[in-house]
Amino acid sequence: AQSVTQLGSHVSVSEGALVLLRCNYSSSVPPYLFWYVQYPNQGLQLLLKYTTGATLVKGINGFEAEFKKSETSFHLTKPSAHMSDAAEYFCAVSVPGGYQKVTFGTGTKLQVIP
Amino acid sequence: DSGVTQTPKHLITATGQRVTLRCSPRSGDLSVYWYQQSLDQGLQFLIQYYNGEERAKGNILERFSAQQFPDLHSELNLSSLELGDSALYFCASSVGSGGGTGELFFGEGSRLTVL
Repeated sequence: AQSVTQLGSHVSVSEGALVLLRCNYSSSVPPYLFWYVQYPNQGLQLLLKYTTGATLVKGINGFEAEFKKSETSFHLTKPSAHMSDAAEYFCAVSVPGGYQKVTFGTGTKLQVIP
Repeated sequence: DSGVTQTPKHLITATGQRVTLRCSPRSGDLSVYWYQQSLDQGLQFLIQYYNGEERAKGNILERFSAQQFPDLHSELNLSSLELGDSALYFCASSVGSGGGTGELFFGEGSRLTVL
């Protein structure tokens, strides 16, 4: 079985500061990992994903995440927060093959303070 | 635009009533997922279908049911509605087979208000 833990349901950063949203996963096989973003009153959209290959993955809007197998982590970062980054962020995991059950974390709401 | 279409976008109804939410997946996607999102419970996985068959079940109430039709669209039926069923209901789709990664494409959601 796979699972995802997101540390911190709410994170506040100042505009221009580093954004760090934490995600740890559990999987019995090498997983696929995702970050999704949800803006108010909208559906979730993919920010970035890790499947295989390079462990540092770059996504949209300047976000990136690094897959660290030894730490079972997939933390999301952005060097400089912008007001438009205020949203809820979800980490998710799936495993190759099968019917692609996708497990989401509980989400982290990012507040950007001007 | 994710390619996933959900209707209706908004729905207001009374307690005890029954509603049907509809989802058309992205062209070529075989898997459909339903999620409920509310302020107090967050994003909850309800059920997954793959090519017409139920594949995974989450926190779906017995008053709720779903199905995926031969043309791959899906419907979520909510009956004997209670105030607590007020939420955003999302549909998502994916390739759904071993060749995919599990990347989900979400619709914009159906907002249900039960009065």
